[in-house]
Amino acid sequence: AQKITQTQPGMFVQEKEAVTLDCTYDTSDQSYGLFWYKQPSSGEMIFLIYQGSYDEQNATEGRYSLNFQKARKSANLVISASQLGDSAMYFCAMREGYGGATNKLIFGTGTLLAVQP
Amino acid sequence: DARVTQTPRHKVTEMGQEVTMRCQPILGHNTVFWYRQTMMQGLELLAYFRNRAPLDDSGMPKDRFSAEMPDATLATLKIQPSEPRDSAVYFCASGDAREGGYGYTFGSGTRLTVV
Repeated sequence: AQKITQTQPGMFVQEKEAVTLDCTYDTSDQSYGLFWYKQPSSGEMIFLIYQGSYDEQNATEGRYSLNFQKARKSANLVISASQLGDSAMYFCAMREGYGGATNKLIFGTGTLLAVQP
Repeated sequence: DARVTQTPRHKVTEMGQEVTMRCQPILGHNTVFWYRQTMMQGLELLAYFRNRAPLDDSGMPKDRFSAEMPDATLATLKIQPSEPRDSAVYFCASGDAREGGYGYTFGSGTRLTVV
């Protein structure tokens, strides 16, 4: 069965520094997608970055990058140059199989990031 | 931007009452998901539909919860009777078959409090 593990319940980072949020996953599928979402205190789920299992290059979206290590089954999120507005809960999620967003997403337990001035 | 609309945004109800949450998926999305978020359990998938047919509702307590899609523009999640342990934020999301990360769109959630 698919599973997502986020082992860091909470993290602190100084403004302008980089931070890595850990995520490991378990699946028997060869095809899958890995996602990171941000949930600020307002509660909405904001998509940040996506990595397909067959993508050879690590995904990047602005200050976000995904450190994808397939053999280790890890998909860590790296936020460079942290900003105060990055303070939020961050969720790693996985979708098995093809079909875009027509398959279910399974979420990890989340990491609460606090950016300090 | 296209949005998933959930109503109500907030609901406070007494234990034993029926609660109905509604979701309007994005036009053209053929898959609708219901998630529940609590501090203890995190984000749990309750049920999802593809082309209005239920695909998986194994995450949903069957005795009191029901989910339906009466038409392509409306998904409902009902709790009858409600209990205090149902207090949570309920998210609806819709999706399409585009590959990549942008296929899923989440609504703003319904914050349910059962007293």
